[in-house]
Amino acid sequence: EAQVTQNPRYLITVTGKKLTVTCSQNMNHEYMSWYRQDPGLGLRQIYYSMNVEVTDKGDVPEGYKVSRKEKRNFPLILESPSPNQTSLYFCASRTSGEKSGTEAFFGQGTRLTVV
Amino acid sequence: SQKIEQNSEALNIQEGKTATLTCNYTNYSPAYLQWYRQDPGRGPVFLLLIRENEKEKRKERLKVTFDTTLKQSLFHITASQPADSATYLCALSTGGFKTIFGAGTRLFVKA
Repeated sequence: EAQVTQNPRYLITVTGKKLTVTCSQNMNHEYMSWYRQDPGLGLRQIYYSMNVEVTDKGDVPEGYKVSRKEKRNFPLILESPSPNQTSLYFCASRTSGEKSGTEAFFGQGTRLTVV
Repeated sequence: SQKIEQNSEALNIQEGKTATLTCNYTNYSPAYLQWYRQDPGRGPVFLLLIRENEKEKRKERLKVTFDTTLKQSLFHITASQPADSATYLCALSTGGFKTIFGAGTRLFVKA
């Protein structure tokens, strides 16, 4: 089954404790992206990756890091989480289709609470 | 500044009627626009994509229109059913790798 898998689904952590949210896709997609979703603000793009070892900032990259060492994996790293990073996070992947556009497949989400 | 607006108020309609959701944008020249469905606690699911040179797209009971002059897309669900109740998101891309999402409109279909 084609899917994007995020782990963990739920995470409560303390301020300043480094954490990683993993994302893996089995569709051989070139493009992967991370979003956060907050009430009233919709999905905001954090980082995206066009292919292995190629990443770029989205609209809200501050406080986050990513890496793309393998095509299937795109982990999101919070080096020093703060309470304003409490949010619902989604990973997405799609084929490149830069100009023509292609549908994105989303993971099931990770609800992060930073206290 | 660039902005995408969807009606933040929930839309309540009766089963069997047509639901129409609106997506307006400013300061964009999108190459394409997408609509997604999102259920509570779940990730968005792709529904339809329409490109800048297309006026209308259909898929079963769904229809999307795209008016680049009005800077507006309309999303229609005909013969709506309670199972159509969800939040619907529109998303724009200018052709690069960035995608901008609206905040979504919540649809309730009453039996």
